Amino acid sequence: GESVGLHLPTLSVQEGDNSIINCAYSNSASDYFIWYKQESGKGPQFIIDIRSNMDKRQGQRVTVLLNKTVKHLSLQIAATQPGDSAVYFCAENMTPRGSYIPTFGRGTSLIVHP
Amino acid sequence: DTAVSQTPKYLVTQMGNDKSIKCEQNLGHDTMYWYKQDSKKFLKIMFSYNNKELIINETVPNRFSPKSPDKAHLNLHINSLELGDSAVYFCASSRGLAGGGSTGELFFGEGSRLTVL
Repeated sequence: GESVGLHLPTLSVQEGDNSIINCAYSNSASDYFIWYKQESGKGPQFIIDIRSNMDKRQGQRVTVLLNKTVKHLSLQIAATQPGDSAVYFCAENMTPRGSYIPTFGRGTSLIVHP
Repeated sequence: DTAVSQTPKYLVTQMGNDKSIKCEQNLGHDTMYWYKQDSKKFLKIMFSYNNKELIINETVPNRFSPKSPDKAHLNLHINSLELGDSAVYFCASSRGLAGGGSTGELFFGEGSRLTVL
């Protein structure tokens, strides 16, 4: 089946460094992507989204890049802080049967060392 | 105010028992979901309801039965619990279906950790 996957399950960085979390997707029909952050003991929270008619979108300290040619999504976090430590998920909008199915990748654990 | 709330937060029970998890959202959203998160953090969709109507049922055993009394509530009842049902169950809501012009962003509850002994 089609799925959203991640290249790295764990990413360790030093405080102040920039972090890049990658995601590969296989459904070429997906037209909407979201990055979520899940802190320990909590539910995932929205960080930033991007539609398939864009290739870059910026938020506060975060940037999402979309490369539809190779079906690749990345989340860049500038000046990573200890509070950024969490599991990050990419999710895609899959509509195999006409209904929106938010489908999540496996997640990347980001560890920020002070 | 909590946007999406689930109860209970923790649930420990014996194999074979029946249990329910309740979910309520006060965001006025039309669509609600149940996700199961395993020990490796994989989030898998189970069900989705739009305006009380089931729209997604992703090969979940019949022992799982969602109920939506109104569009603000989506409860999950599980019969004959098995060891493999142990997981964290997340309820979520969104403004509507992506095709209907919604953003598609999901708002999650804090999760209900189910442990089956």
